[in-house]
Amino acid sequence: DGGITQSPKYLFRKEGQNVTLSCEQNLNHDAMYWYRQDPGQGLRLIYYSQIVNDFQKGDIAEGYSVSREKKESFPLTVTSAQKNPTAFYLCASSITQVFEGRNGELFFGEGSRLTVL
Amino acid sequence: KQEVTQIPAALSVPEGENLVLNCSFTDSAIYNLQWFRQDPGKGLTSLLLIQSSQREQTSGRLNASLDKSSGRSTLYIAASQPGDSATYLCAVGAHTGTASKLTFGTGTRLQVTL
Repeated sequence: DGGITQSPKYLFRKEGQNVTLSCEQNLNHDAMYWYRQDPGQGLRLIYYSQIVNDFQKGDIAEGYSVSREKKESFPLTVTSAQKNPTAFYLCASSITQVFEGRNGELFFGEGSRLTVL
Repeated sequence: KQEVTQIPAALSVPEGENLVLNCSFTDSAIYNLQWFRQDPGKGLTSLLLIQSSQREQTSGRLNASLDKSSGRSTLYIAASQPGDSATYLCAVGAHTGTASKLTFGTGTRLQVTL
């Protein structure tokens, strides 16, 4: 089945540790995104990538890093510089070419919940 | 900066009722608008996508409308069912190259009771 796979589903981290969240898609989408969700707040964009080997900062990129070495993969590293990393992290991808009016529709994975102990 | 507001924040209705969820946005220069459903602890499921040139989209019991000039969208759910209970999120898209950057509202939490 085509879709977006995020792993791990739950992750616990000690303060000062870096962690990497995995995101893999087999939808052949060019663009991929990372969002953060906190209770009572809308999703906020961390980073996005339009093409392999290229990515741009979103609204809250500080303390995070990404890479895009393969079209299907867009891992997110939460570094020790992120002051409040406990959150629900969502990866998404989107169609970029015009296709029957569905251009720009985002599809999401099931999320990864990170807790800092 | 785009801001998206969803009203009400929570809604409880008996099964079978028709209902309307509201979404408003401050900048009318949008590329598209997307409605999502989120179950507790889960990811987002895309319900409907409306391009900026469109006025509405329909899928089954769902109908979404878009009025760019007034900065409003509504999601209409007909004949609600307990399985419709979830949080509904509205997001407006700004086109950036080939990517679609979404700004999200905080959602409406819907409970459909028996």
